[in-house]
Amino acid sequence: AQSVTQLGSHVSVSEGALVLLRCNYSSSVPPYLFWYVQYPNQGLQLLLKYTSAATLVKGINGFEAEFKKSETSFHLTKPSAHMSDAAEYFCAVSGSGGYQKVTFGIGTKLQVIP
Amino acid sequence: DADVTQTPRNRITKTGKRIMLECSQTKGHDRMYWYRQDPGLGLRLIYYSFDVKDINKGEISDGYSVSRQAQAKFSLSLESAIPNQTALYFCATSEGGIKGETQYFGPGTRLLVL
Repeated sequence: AQSVTQLGSHVSVSEGALVLLRCNYSSSVPPYLFWYVQYPNQGLQLLLKYTSAATLVKGINGFEAEFKKSETSFHLTKPSAHMSDAAEYFCAVSGSGGYQKVTFGIGTKLQVIP
Repeated sequence: DADVTQTPRNRITKTGKRIMLECSQTKGHDRMYWYRQDPGLGLRLIYYSFDVKDINKGEISDGYSVSRQAQAKFSLSLESAIPNQTALYFCATSEGGIKGETQYFGPGTRLLVL
């Protein structure tokens, strides 16, 4: 069984401030972890993913996430928020053996305040 | 042109009607998926298909059926629509056989069942 928990369904930050979106996972096998972003009226697109290589993963648009096995976390960060970062962000997990379906979190809506 | 397209983008229907949502992809991927998105619930998998002859139920397949007409086409049908099927529906594709394979999403179909 696998699951992800996203802490905070809504997060507000000021433009230029640090963005921190939290994700904790549960998996009975070594996980693959993903962050997807959904802009208004669009489908999800991959922001970054962890596939057991480097624990610090860099993604598009200045985002990065760190895999911490001891904390079962995969938090998403960006040093300085931009207005264009306003979107909904989904953490997701899949297992590493054969086909393992992807389980998505409930999503976190990021609001950037000018 | 978009790699994954969905038609229609918006649909209003009445309880008891049969409707079909269509998905086409030009990515050449073998794997295709149908998800529904509900506020506070994230994305949930309805059906997935690894090739034309391989179709599998996801976690919430009751009330839905699918057809994989070709590698590039995967349709979702609601045989007799009910109001709690009101949601945002996404089609996605993935290449398969890759560690932590990325899913590529269409723009979504917003369905309202009255």
